[in-house]
Amino acid sequence: AQSVTQLGSHVSVSEGALVLLRCNYSSSVPPYLFWYVQYPNQGLQLLLKYTTGATLVKGINGFEAEFKKSETSFHLTKPSAHMSDAAEYFCVVIRPRSNDYKLSFGAGTTVTVRA
Amino acid sequence: SQTIHQWPATLVQPVGSPLSLECTVEGTSNPNLYWYRQAAGRGLQLLFYSVGIGQISSEVPQNLSASRPQDRQFILSSKKLLLSDSGFYLCAWSPLQGLFGYTFGSGTRLTVV
Repeated sequence: AQSVTQLGSHVSVSEGALVLLRCNYSSSVPPYLFWYVQYPNQGLQLLLKYTTGATLVKGINGFEAEFKKSETSFHLTKPSAHMSDAAEYFCVVIRPRSNDYKLSFGAGTTVTVRA
Repeated sequence: SQTIHQWPATLVQPVGSPLSLECTVEGTSNPNLYWYRQAAGRGLQLLFYSVGIGQISSEVPQNLSASRPQDRQFILSSKKLLLSDSGFYLCAWSPLQGLFGYTFGSGTRLTVV
Protein backbone atom coordinates (compact mmCIF):
# COMPACT_ATOMS: atom_id res chain seq x y z
CA ALA A 1 0.00 0.00 0.00
CA GLN A 2 1.07 3.55 -0.56
CA SER A 3 0.78 6.54 1.74
CA VAL A 4 1.35 10.24 1.46
CA THR A 5 2.68 12.68 4.04
CA GLN A 6 2.37 16.41 3.63
CA LEU A 7 4.66 18.25 6.00
CA GLY A 8 2.89 21.20 7.52
CA SER A 9 -0.86 21.57 7.60
CA HIS A 10 -0.60 25.36 7.28
CA VAL A 11 1.88 27.50 5.38
CA SER A 12 1.91 31.28 5.40
CA VAL A 13 3.91 33.22 2.83
CA SER A 14 4.26 36.84 1.82
CA GLU A 15 3.08 37.94 -1.58
CA GLY A 16 5.98 37.58 -3.98
CA ALA A 17 7.81 35.03 -1.82
CA LEU A 18 8.60 31.44 -2.66
CA VAL A 19 5.89 28.87 -2.05
CA LEU A 20 7.21 25.44 -1.00
CA LEU A 21 4.85 22.63 -0.06
CA ARG A 22 6.43 19.37 0.98
CA CYS A 23 5.19 15.91 0.11
CA ASN A 24 6.74 12.54 0.79
CA TYR A 25 5.33 9.21 -0.22
CA SER A 26 5.87 5.59 0.55
CA SER A 27 5.22 3.02 -2.10
CA SER A 28 6.58 -0.36 -3.00
CA VAL A 29 6.89 0.73 -6.63
CA PRO A 30 7.40 4.16 -8.18
CA PRO A 31 3.98 5.77 -8.05
CA TYR A 32 2.19 8.28 -10.17
CA LEU A 33 2.01 11.58 -8.29
CA PHE A 34 -0.34 14.53 -8.43
CA TRP A 35 -0.92 17.88 -6.81
CA TYR A 36 -4.45 19.22 -6.52
CA VAL A 37 -5.65 22.63 -5.38
CA GLN A 38 -8.95 23.36 -3.68
CA TYR A 39 -10.36 26.85 -3.32
CA PRO A 40 -12.97 27.42 -0.60
CA ASN A 41 -16.22 25.57 -1.22
CA GLN A 42 -15.07 24.26 -4.57
CA GLY A 43 -13.99 20.93 -5.94
CA LEU A 44 -10.38 19.90 -6.43
CA GLN A 45 -8.51 21.02 -9.50
CA LEU A 46 -5.49 19.22 -10.91
CA LEU A 47 -2.35 21.39 -10.74
CA LEU A 48 0.15 18.95 -12.19
CA LYS A 49 1.07 15.29 -12.39
CA TYR A 50 4.08 13.05 -12.73
CA THR A 51 3.74 9.67 -14.39
CA THR A 52 6.94 8.88 -16.24
CA GLY A 53 9.70 10.76 -18.03
CA ALA A 54 11.01 14.17 -16.98
CA THR A 55 11.09 14.43 -13.21
CA LEU A 56 10.46 18.18 -13.15
CA VAL A 57 6.89 18.82 -14.10
CA LYS A 58 5.25 22.15 -14.70
CA GLY A 59 1.63 22.80 -13.98
CA ILE A 60 -0.91 25.55 -14.11
CA ASN A 61 -0.66 28.91 -12.37
CA GLY A 62 3.15 28.86 -12.34
CA PHE A 63 3.51 25.83 -10.08
CA GLU A 64 6.03 23.06 -10.60
CA ALA A 65 7.09 19.94 -8.76
CA GLU A 66 10.06 17.63 -8.89
CA PHE A 67 9.93 13.88 -8.44
CA LYS A 68 12.94 12.72 -6.45
CA LYS A 69 12.94 8.96 -6.20
CA SER A 70 15.93 8.82 -3.86
CA GLU A 71 14.14 11.10 -1.40
CA THR A 72 10.65 9.70 -2.12
CA SER A 73 9.50 13.28 -2.44
CA PHE A 74 7.35 15.37 -4.75
CA HIS A 75 7.55 18.90 -3.39
CA LEU A 76 5.48 21.67 -4.97
CA THR A 77 6.96 25.11 -5.57
CA LYS A 78 6.09 28.45 -7.03
CA PRO A 79 8.75 31.17 -7.24
CA SER A 80 6.48 34.09 -6.42
CA ALA A 81 3.25 33.79 -4.44
CA HIS A 82 0.15 35.64 -5.51
CA MET A 83 -2.86 36.41 -3.38
CA SER A 84 -4.92 34.09 -5.57
CA ASP A 85 -2.73 31.15 -4.48
CA ALA A 86 -4.46 31.08 -1.10
CA ALA A 87 -6.08 27.66 -1.07
CA GLU A 88 -5.66 24.11 0.20
CA TYR A 89 -3.24 21.84 -1.63
CA PHE A 90 -3.28 18.07 -1.72
CA CYS A 91 -0.51 15.70 -2.70
CA VAL A 92 -1.89 12.49 -4.19
CA VAL A 93 -0.44 9.11 -5.09
CA ILE A 94 -1.56 6.14 -7.10
CA ARG A 95 0.34 2.94 -7.67
CA PRO A 96 0.34 2.02 -11.36
CA ARG A 97 0.03 -1.48 -12.69
CA SER A 98 -2.18 -2.53 -9.86
CA ASN A 99 -5.86 -3.29 -9.49
CA ASP A 100 -6.16 -0.46 -7.01
CA TYR A 101 -8.41 2.19 -8.49
CA LYS A 102 -8.03 4.52 -5.59
CA LEU A 103 -5.91 7.59 -5.11
CA SER A 104 -4.20 8.11 -1.77
CA PHE A 105 -4.55 11.70 -0.58
CA GLY A 106 -2.31 13.60 1.75
CA ALA A 107 -3.97 15.45 4.60
CA GLY A 108 -3.65 18.76 2.78
CA THR A 109 -1.74 21.99 3.32
CA THR A 110 -3.57 25.28 3.64
CA VAL A 111 -1.70 28.22 2.15
CA THR A 112 -2.34 31.77 3.23
CA VAL A 113 -0.72 34.68 1.43
CA ARG A 114 0.09 37.88 3.31
CA ALA A 115 -0.03 41.19 1.52
CA SER B 1 -14.62 17.55 -23.72
CA GLN B 2 -15.63 15.81 -20.54
CA THR B 3 -17.56 17.58 -17.82
CA ILE B 4 -18.88 16.52 -14.45
CA HIS B 5 -21.97 17.93 -12.85
CA GLN B 6 -22.87 17.64 -9.20
CA TRP B 7 -25.94 18.98 -7.43
CA PRO B 8 -27.21 20.53 -5.33
CA ALA B 9 -24.41 22.89 -4.35
CA THR B 10 -25.68 23.33 -0.81
CA LEU B 11 -28.19 21.43 1.25
CA VAL B 12 -29.53 21.80 4.77
CA GLN B 13 -31.40 18.76 6.03
CA PRO B 14 -32.85 17.78 9.41
CA VAL B 15 -31.62 14.74 11.28
CA GLY B 16 -33.50 11.64 10.22
CA SER B 17 -34.42 12.94 6.78
CA PRO B 18 -33.42 11.17 3.55
CA LEU B 19 -30.64 12.27 1.23
CA SER B 20 -30.04 12.07 -2.48
CA LEU B 21 -27.04 13.66 -4.17
CA GLU B 22 -26.58 13.25 -7.87
CA CYS B 23 -23.53 13.31 -10.09
CA THR B 24 -23.39 12.97 -13.86
CA VAL B 25 -20.53 12.89 -16.31
CA GLU B 26 -20.67 13.98 -19.92
CA GLY B 27 -18.36 13.39 -22.84
CA THR B 28 -17.01 9.98 -21.88
CA SER B 29 -18.21 6.43 -21.51
CA ASN B 30 -17.61 3.80 -18.85
CA PRO B 31 -15.91 6.14 -16.40
CA ASN B 32 -14.80 5.11 -12.95
CA LEU B 33 -16.90 7.12 -10.49
CA TYR B 34 -16.16 8.07 -6.90
CA TRP B 35 -17.84 9.71 -3.92
CA TYR B 36 -15.64 11.44 -1.37
CA ARG B 37 -16.51 13.25 1.84
CA GLN B 38 -14.46 16.07 3.24
CA ALA B 39 -15.20 16.85 6.86
CA ALA B 40 -13.58 19.78 8.64
CA GLY B 41 -10.00 18.92 9.58
CA ARG B 42 -10.27 15.34 8.35
CA GLY B 43 -9.08 15.42 4.75
CA LEU B 44 -10.75 13.48 1.97
CA GLN B 45 -12.41 10.19 2.77
CA LEU B 46 -13.34 7.82 -0.05
CA LEU B 47 -16.89 6.60 0.49
CA PHE B 48 -17.78 4.63 -2.64
CA TYR B 49 -16.42 3.89 -6.04
CA SER B 50 -17.87 2.25 -9.12
CA VAL B 51 -16.23 0.73 -12.17
CA GLY B 52 -19.48 0.02 -14.03
CA ILE B 53 -23.27 0.09 -13.95
CA GLY B 54 -24.55 -1.55 -10.80
CA GLN B 55 -21.03 -2.15 -9.47
CA ILE B 56 -20.50 -0.34 -6.19
CA SER B 57 -17.66 -0.76 -3.72
CA SER B 58 -18.00 0.67 -0.26
CA GLU B 59 -14.97 1.89 1.61
CA VAL B 60 -16.54 2.94 4.88
CA PRO B 61 -19.47 1.23 6.61
CA GLN B 62 -22.06 3.84 7.51
CA ASN B 63 -25.63 4.83 6.83
CA LEU B 64 -24.87 6.04 3.31
CA SER B 65 -25.32 4.09 0.11
CA ALA B 66 -24.51 4.64 -3.54
CA SER B 67 -26.03 3.54 -6.79
CA ARG B 68 -25.09 3.71 -10.44
CA PRO B 69 -28.28 3.28 -12.45
CA GLN B 70 -26.72 4.51 -15.70
CA ASP B 71 -23.21 4.53 -17.08
CA ARG B 72 -22.56 8.18 -16.31
CA GLN B 73 -24.78 8.69 -13.28
CA PHE B 74 -23.73 8.17 -9.68
CA ILE B 75 -26.09 8.77 -6.76
CA LEU B 76 -25.30 9.04 -3.06
CA SER B 77 -28.20 8.33 -0.72
CA SER B 78 -29.19 7.94 2.86
CA LYS B 79 -32.48 6.85 4.39
CA LYS B 80 -31.92 8.73 7.65
CA LEU B 81 -29.28 11.41 8.03
CA LEU B 82 -27.16 11.77 11.14
CA LEU B 83 -25.49 14.92 12.43
CA SER B 84 -22.15 13.30 11.64
CA ASP B 85 -23.09 13.14 7.95
CA SER B 86 -22.47 16.87 7.64
CA GLY B 87 -19.60 17.70 5.32
CA PHE B 88 -18.54 18.55 1.84
CA TYR B 89 -19.31 15.77 -0.64
CA LEU B 90 -17.33 15.48 -3.82
CA CYS B 91 -18.02 13.35 -6.84
CA ALA B 92 -15.17 12.49 -9.18
CA TRP B 93 -14.53 10.46 -12.31
CA SER B 94 -11.51 8.96 -13.97
CA PRO B 95 -10.76 7.00 -17.10
CA LEU B 96 -9.24 3.57 -16.56
CA GLN B 97 -7.76 3.11 -13.10
CA GLY B 98 -7.34 6.71 -12.13
CA LEU B 99 -3.80 6.64 -13.43
CA PHE B 100 -4.19 10.06 -14.94
CA GLY B 101 -5.86 11.56 -11.93
CA TYR B 102 -9.43 12.35 -11.18
CA THR B 103 -11.70 15.14 -12.31
CA PHE B 104 -13.79 16.44 -9.46
CA GLY B 105 -17.22 17.98 -9.38
CA SER B 106 -17.82 21.27 -7.64
CA GLY B 107 -19.08 19.63 -4.47
CA THR B 108 -22.17 19.67 -2.25
CA ARG B 109 -22.06 21.30 1.17
CA LEU B 110 -24.38 19.25 3.37
CA THR B 111 -25.38 20.53 6.78
CA VAL B 112 -27.48 18.24 8.95
CA VAL B 113 -29.34 20.14 11.65
